[in-house]
Amino acid sequence: GQQLNQSPQSMFIQEGEDVSMNCTSSSIFNTWLWYKQDPGEGPVLLIALYKAGELTSNGRLTAQFGITRKDSFLNISASIPSDVGIYFCAGPNTGKLIFGQGTTLQVKP
Amino acid sequence: DTGVSQDPRHKITKRGQNVTFRCDPISEHNRLYWYRQTLGQGPEFLTYFQNEAQLEKSRLLSDRFSAERPKGSFSTLEIQRTEQGDSAMYLCASSPGTGIRYEQYFGPGTRLTVT
Repeated sequence: GQQLNQSPQSMFIQEGEDVSMNCTSSSIFNTWLWYKQDPGEGPVLLIALYKAGELTSNGRLTAQFGITRKDSFLNISASIPSDVGIYFCAGPNTGKLIFGQGTTLQVKP
Repeated sequence: DTGVSQDPRHKITKRGQNVTFRCDPISEHNRLYWYRQTLGQGPEFLTYFQNEAQLEKSRLLSDRFSAERPKGSFSTLEIQRTEQGDSAMYLCASSPGTGIRYEQYFGPGTRLTVT
């Protein structure tokens, strides 16, 4: 079945640094979603991408839909402590979402 | 603005007991989804409803699991004869279910611990 692979698995950065993570698939997706999950909570939708090559921002977050439609990237600029959490990419498959295994971000003040 | 709500937030039960979880979706959302998430993994799809119709069930949903959405509003997920392997976070999500947009909005989850 379809699988999404996220890298890196975890990141430990200094406050103020920029962060980049990506998500790849062996098959094509026509939509990419990025979520953030805090410990003990449900995932929160950050950005939705619907068009190959699309670049979308949400505050300090920017996500891109790869032109091959098999990958997506999420960048966080000027990280702050509240950016800590697990970031998931997801793509639809007959209505349901397929999730990557997540990138864990830790920010050192 | 009320998002997706789930009850209870935490449940501890002994192996062999039955448990039931409730999910209230965002009002007017036609689709409701259940996912399961274990530590270190992304959410895994279990089942989803379009209004009151259950449209798809994952192979993860064994015979001990049953989900309902009787009036097309809230949904319940029941696990019978719980096993330790059922320990996980159970997430509910909803979406408008119209058009081609695939955004799903998640509730806070129910953390199940089977002892």
